[in-house]
Amino acid sequence: TQLLEQSPQFLSIQEGENLTVYCNSSSVFSSLQWYRQEPGEGPVLLVTVVTGGEVKKLKRLTFQFGDARKDSSLHITAAQPGDTGLYLCAGYSTDSWGKLQFGAGTQVVVTP
Amino acid sequence: SQTIHQWPATLVQPVGSPLSLECTVEGTSNPNLYWYRQAAGRGLQLLFYSVGIGQISSEVPQNLSASRPQDRQFILSSKKLLLSDSGFYLCAWSVAGYEQYFGPGTRLTVT
Repeated sequence: TQLLEQSPQFLSIQEGENLTVYCNSSSVFSSLQWYRQEPGEGPVLLVTVVTGGEVKKLKRLTFQFGDARKDSSLHITAAQPGDTGLYLCAGYSTDSWGKLQFGAGTQVVVTP
Repeated sequence: SQTIHQWPATLVQPVGSPLSLECTVEGTSNPNLYWYRQAAGRGLQLLFYSVGIGQISSEVPQNLSASRPQDRQFILSSKKLLLSDSGFYLCAWSVAGYEQYFGPGTRLTVT
């Protein structure tokens, strides 16, 4: 089983501050996805990274895939209350028969 | 565009009662389909996945079963619910496998 560890488990910050969430594994993934989930709703796909060293930006969110494709980070600049949610990373391997390995999630709370 | 539906949105059932949760996908053909369970504020546990009609793979031995009677329909069932079956159930679909799209979920409370 390929395990994905997310850190921190919980993050509470003030509006306007920056934050970084980490997703680490000892295994290599073909691609890695980040999802955001709000209470009582299903996760929503934010981004997919597939190339080692890849950096993708989505407005104030920056996603990076590690060179060895074993880890990833999500950085939010100038966080807003609307960024509040559970952030999940999920790794995919070509030998995983269409299944994703999910991390346990990072709960982010941004207060005004 | 593709959409995924789940119902019911919430369900309260007594211990020992049967369960049927339904998931349907529109706008795509022959998707991979998945059932997950999520504990409060935590990650997702894969329960079942299906790559085609009648093809079900179980990830975790448990009190639940799944069926796929039609290409875009996925059903989660139980004959007798346990207290430990309470949780948030999510259905998802995928074409390539590595990008999954989730439904709105069903909150199940077993009393």
